[in-house]
Amino acid sequence: GNSVTQMEGPVTLSEEAFLTINCTYTATGYPSLFWYVQYPGEGLQLLLKATKADDKGSNKGFEATYRKETTSFHLEKGSVQVSDSAVYFCALAGSARQLTFGSGTQLTVLP
Amino acid sequence: GAVVSQHPSRVICKSGTSVKIECRSLDFQATTMFWYRQFPKKSLMLMATSNEGSKATYEQGVEKDKFLINHASLTLSTLTVTSAHPEDSSFYICSGLAADPRHYEQYFGPGTRLTVT
Repeated sequence: GNSVTQMEGPVTLSEEAFLTINCTYTATGYPSLFWYVQYPGEGLQLLLKATKADDKGSNKGFEATYRKETTSFHLEKGSVQVSDSAVYFCALAGSARQLTFGSGTQLTVLP
Repeated sequence: GAVVSQHPSRVICKSGTSVKIECRSLDFQATTMFWYRQFPKKSLMLMATSNEGSKATYEQGVEKDKFLINHASLTLSTLTVTSAHPEDSSFYICSGLAADPRHYEQYFGPGTRLTVT
């Protein structure tokens, strides 16, 4: 079946630091890949997505590239802000369009 | 993007009572809606998949008689937690999937915090 393995947290960074959150997946076929962000007490918001190999999703300074050869979709941001503090979930959607989530990574950015 | 609402956002109920949570897609038609449960500091656990006009499909280990799901229209799905117990306390999140099969994106509601005393 499908699975997503995500970097364990928590991650604590200083403002303006570089962020990488690793995500690898196992899936049959050609899944779509997503990063969701969850702020405290809220539901999930789509951060970015990629639907085929070599696609790069980007939003709000965050980027992730769909790497089929390494089955990865790592999240990066060049300079994080305090407001980026949240939990980040990597996810994939297979042909049934059900989402399989990673375990989530708590990010805390300190001023 | 598309908007999904949930009501109530928070609910506290006594053990043994039932609670209904509504999930609405406000600006799109959702042929499929998903219900998730999230434990503190944990990922989302898919409880069931709800298709408009048909019975929900429950994930293994989820009691269908306890978590009643109804998807009566293309914009509304409800989750009823029957005879709630303290262990049912959790954050429940729904999502809607657009009717267009080209779209893989699920749109999530803001969640409902259920506390059973």
